[in-house]
Amino acid sequence: KNQVEQSPQSLIILEGKNCTLQCNYTVSPFSNLRWYKQDTGRGPVSLTIMTFSENTKSNGRYTATLDADTKQSSLHITASQLSDSASYICVVRPGGGNKLTFGTGTQLKVEL
Amino acid sequence: ETGVTQTPRHLVMGMTNKKSLKCEQHLGHNAMYWYKQSAKKPLELMFVYSLEERVENNSVPSRFSPECPNSSHLFLHLHTLQPEDSALYLCASSQDRIGLYGYTFGSGTRLTVV
Repeated sequence: KNQVEQSPQSLIILEGKNCTLQCNYTVSPFSNLRWYKQDTGRGPVSLTIMTFSENTKSNGRYTATLDADTKQSSLHITASQLSDSASYICVVRPGGGNKLTFGTGTQLKVEL
Repeated sequence: ETGVTQTPRHLVMGMTNKKSLKCEQHLGHNAMYWYKQSAKKPLELMFVYSLEERVENNSVPSRFSPECPNSSHLFLHLHTLQPEDSALYLCASSQDRIGLYGYTFGSGTRLTVV
């Protein structure tokens, strides 16, 4: 069964600090993996997309990594800001046009 | 705004009411989706429309009835809902039904069934 597990479930950090969110998946075959940011009361917005051949991809202060061998991805946030407070959702697309598999998300809170 | 607009943003309804959720996109996308998002659960795909034709229905109870009159509009008609149906209902669109280039989500309708 295709599954996506994210950790931690929730996280509180101080403004300016870095953090790393984890995503482990059992989806097979693999097509791509996306990280979404979902602000409270909003829909998810795509941050990065990783394909099989990509190891690292950055979008501003967000850097995603992918290890297709161990089926793990991480999202690193550098110099966190209050506006980074949100839920971060890992989504894996299987090959063959099958439907997406969503993680339950990591709820991040950045405090002063 | 993402280009996908959902109304209303919030809805409180009784179990005997009938209401409708609306979704509109002007991105020129050909596929539209309804998702249900409950607390501490992954997003659940409910319905998929491609070029106004329903191509997927994931065992959703008949008290949820989708309608896609054209490629820009999607509705979710609700009747005789249960309290466990309370959730955030998200609409999304993509260029094609596979969503190869990603999905654009609306802000959702927060539904509370009392």
